Amino acid sequence: AQSVTQPDIHITVSEGASLELRCNYSYGATPYLFWYVQSPGQGLQLLLKYFSGDTLVQGIKGFEAEFKRSQSSFNLRKPSVHWSDAAEYFCAWMDSSYKLIFGSGTRLLVRP
Amino acid sequence: DVKVTQSSRYLVKRTGEKVFLECVQDMDHENMFWYRQDPGLGLRLIYFSYDVKMKEKGDIPEGYSVSREKKERFSLILESASTNQTSMYLCASSLLDRLYTEAFFGQGTRLTVV
Repeated sequence: AQSVTQPDIHITVSEGASLELRCNYSYGATPYLFWYVQSPGQGLQLLLKYFSGDTLVQGIKGFEAEFKRSQSSFNLRKPSVHWSDAAEYFCAWMDSSYKLIFGSGTRLLVRP
Repeated sequence: DVKVTQSSRYLVKRTGEKVFLECVQDMDHENMFWYRQDPGLGLRLIYFSYDVKMKEKGDIPEGYSVSREKKERFSLILESASTNQTSMYLCASSLLDRLYTEAFFGQGTRLTVV
């Protein structure tokens, strides 16, 4: 079945360190890919999205993601993590019928 | 400011009860979604609607039904609640337009079935 996979359940980084969260998709055609963030007690907020064109996508809060077709990946990155980035991050893709399918999420912990 | 509103933040229901979860959006979006969120499982799609009176099953529709009589409102129905339906339920809406689509989420309803 077509899906997105987030292989890391938890990731811990020190404040100020760089961050990369992994997302792999299984879909033949060019997928529509998204990253969402859910802060504790909050709803989901869109960080960025990729439909086509430039494979490096800039988002809000200093995040970016790179689409790599050869690796079937859409990893999320941030050069310097802030304590307020501690949250759960979800990769998602949209299929041809506009259904939005999510990965299982990665919880980010930030060490002071 | 765009808004997806879920009628309750917290609900406690008894096993066997019929439960209605309501979701309203004010953005004139065509698509509406119901997900349940469980630790370690992410968000799993229960049902999806792309138009009034239209619905499609998601990955886990068993034990649930939905109703969309008006464009702005999408209801999730648990016909006979069971303890394994204790979960966080999230509603979302989006435009039927790939270029501009972004799903907006409600705050969620935490349902406990006892």
